[in-house]
Amino acid sequence: DSGVTQTPKHLITATGQRVTLRCSPRSGDLSVYWYQQSLDQGLQFLIHYYNGEERAKGNILERFSAQQFPDLHSELNLSSLELGDSALYFCASSVDMPGNSGANVLTFGAGSRLTVL
Amino acid sequence: AQKITQTQPGMFVQEKEAVTLDCTYDTSDPSYGLFWYKQPSSGEMIFLIYQGSYDQQNATEGRYSLNFQKARKSANLVISASQLGDSAMYFCAMRGRIIQGAQKLVFGQGTRLTINP
Repeated sequence: DSGVTQTPKHLITATGQRVTLRCSPRSGDLSVYWYQQSLDQGLQFLIHYYNGEERAKGNILERFSAQQFPDLHSELNLSSLELGDSALYFCASSVDMPGNSGANVLTFGAGSRLTVL
Repeated sequence: AQKITQTQPGMFVQEKEAVTLDCTYDTSDPSYGLFWYKQPSSGEMIFLIYQGSYDQQNATEGRYSLNFQKARKSANLVISASQLGDSAMYFCAMRGRIIQGAQKLVFGQGTRLTINP
């Protein structure tokens, strides 16, 4: 158990629908990162939150949004789903100390596998 | 921009042999970190080893070691005495120095390692 909890583990839905993926970071970690892993695109960075604030955006579609709550858990909202959104969505957390410390390792959750039919 | 290249899509190794997984990187940031993750068929991303750009010695973690050659911009993963359980996808990743908040982890395309009995 990595300490990062993601729910649900599996989700099957139809095109046009909306889903919410949830992530609870490791205790003590302030940063939450979302990644999408698909067969054709590999691991793609979506968005990063640090202590409730958005810090960086990657290849995140406008149909997707995220937030981090005061208790540091995060949610990734995916709307108007398309077949191509089928992927494994990872949340990762990190303590993110300033500098280049080896402590700043991203710990990944087990992922949420989304299938859009 | 940061880039990670893993040139071996797949590797097949006999059990108990050592294996080297190649990773080259490109960055203009003098301070960076290099990571290796393992992704078994179950899907989770497991952190294996970390190397900081200013670390004088190559990182080691049990059977894993990182052959860090800064001048060549390579960070190859060496697995000694391979085991059947080492069969998985392996990802090399890099992140820059953390200043305010953090910078995203950039992943390579991965190498699928298969250990034969």
